[in-house]
Amino acid sequence: SYELTQPPSVSVSPGQTARITCSGDALPKQFAYWYQQKPGQAPVMVIYKDSERPSGIPERFSGSSSGRTVTLTISGVQAEDEADYYCQSADSSGKYRVFGGGTKLTVL
Amino acid sequence: EVHLVESGGGLVKPGGSLRLSCAASGFTFTSCSMNWVRQAPGKGLEWVSFISGGSNYKYYADSVKGRFTISRDNAKNSLYLQMNSLRAEDTAVYYCAREGFGELSPSLDYWGQGTLVTVSS
Repeated sequence: SYELTQPPSVSVSPGQTARITCSGDALPKQFAYWYQQKPGQAPVMVIYKDSERPSGIPERFSGSSSGRTVTLTISGVQAEDEADYYCQSADSSGKYRVFGGGTKLTVL
Repeated sequence: EVHLVESGGGLVKPGGSLRLSCAASGFTFTSCSMNWVRQAPGKGLEWVSFISGGSNYKYYADSVKGRFTISRDNAKNSLYLQMNSLRAEDTAVYYCAREGFGELSPSLDYWGQGTLVTVSS
């Protein structure tokens, strides 16, 4: 079955830039989406179609894509950004949705 | 405002069955594809199943294929997940999630708060 690979954890100090990667064979063909999940809460989409930001999401959240890898970048990280982040996409057929394993962002 | 409210979770013995429901409001339900996503305690998100607006297309993760059935009643603005032959590894919070329109598919733009399913003897 198709898989998306993320690093389990990323740590940054406040004000620094955090980068979270997601790799998958179908990413050159399929858009990726990023979700933020805080403890006890449902996920919230922070990036769609690789690099677009939904309304209400702070400008410090951005996304990019290069080949098999997409990257979520959080510039000027704030304490409130500490959360789990998941990438999501579809397999090459477009039928099966898939999530990456998730990355825990720790703000030191 | 979009609202998705799951119900039907609870404690069930291995091998048992459970039916989850998701009540949708605030949007044209029949126009939207829907998904179920689950999250085991302390673990990541796992996509479970998809259903198109008119129920013409249904897809399942390999882990639940043949045991779970997704359905919807557009007249009642409701989504369902019939879960049979439940196993301990099905223990999770189950989320109902709306799929984005058109070019926003397959993103999941709205989520419910989830319902907990515990499979244990």
